[in-house]
Amino acid sequence: GQNIDQPTEMTATEGAIVQINCTYQTSGFNGLFWYQQHAGEAPTFLSYNVLDGLEEKGRFSSFLSRSKGYSYLLLKELQMKDSASYLCAVSAQSGNTPLVFGKGTRLSVIA
Amino acid sequence: DTAVSQTPKYLVTQMGNDKSIKCEQNLGHDTMYWYKQDSKKFLKIMFSYNNKELIINETVPNRFSPKSPDKAHLNLHINSLELGDSAVYFCASSQTVSYGYTFGSGTRLTVV
Repeated sequence: GQNIDQPTEMTATEGAIVQINCTYQTSGFNGLFWYQQHAGEAPTFLSYNVLDGLEEKGRFSSFLSRSKGYSYLLLKELQMKDSASYLCAVSAQSGNTPLVFGKGTRLSVIA
Repeated sequence: DTAVSQTPKYLVTQMGNDKSIKCEQNLGHDTMYWYKQDSKKFLKIMFSYNNKELIINETVPNRFSPKSPDKAHLNLHINSLELGDSAVYFCASSQTVSYGYTFGSGTRLTVV
């Protein structure tokens, strides 16, 4: 079976750094994704990791450790517009097997 | 041009009715999906089509019937709607795993 865990809610201050963790147990592994979803909107792609290590994209970075079944999304210089849900998703097999999503972490950025 | 478009955006209907949601993508992707997002924001796969062929059908009641007339379209028809069907339904498409999905804007279905 597939199991993806991430915290339900987090709160952080504008300008700070926040790390959102994700642990997964899947029958196979073909990559891990992070998506951002603002209230009432569609999820949008943030990052993709298939090899161990850190991928950096501007203020957002994503890390993967396949041996530990662990990833995190790091958001720097937080802005109010970063308040959203952050979804961890795993591709468990090759090809176009549907992504399995975690339940999402709702991040609130406060002044 | 919208990459993945869904219609309608909102749908309010009575229990027992039959309704359809349409999805079209102009990205040239081979694979399309339907996901259901419940009130707790959990996104769960319902169906997956590759080049008009059904490849994944999760444990969804057979009241839900997807149809793909061509690889750019994937529609969802729901018969005998129930209160528990109320959710946001997202269509998505993809070409290769590493580029992730492109989601439509979602259809908020409310069954009363």
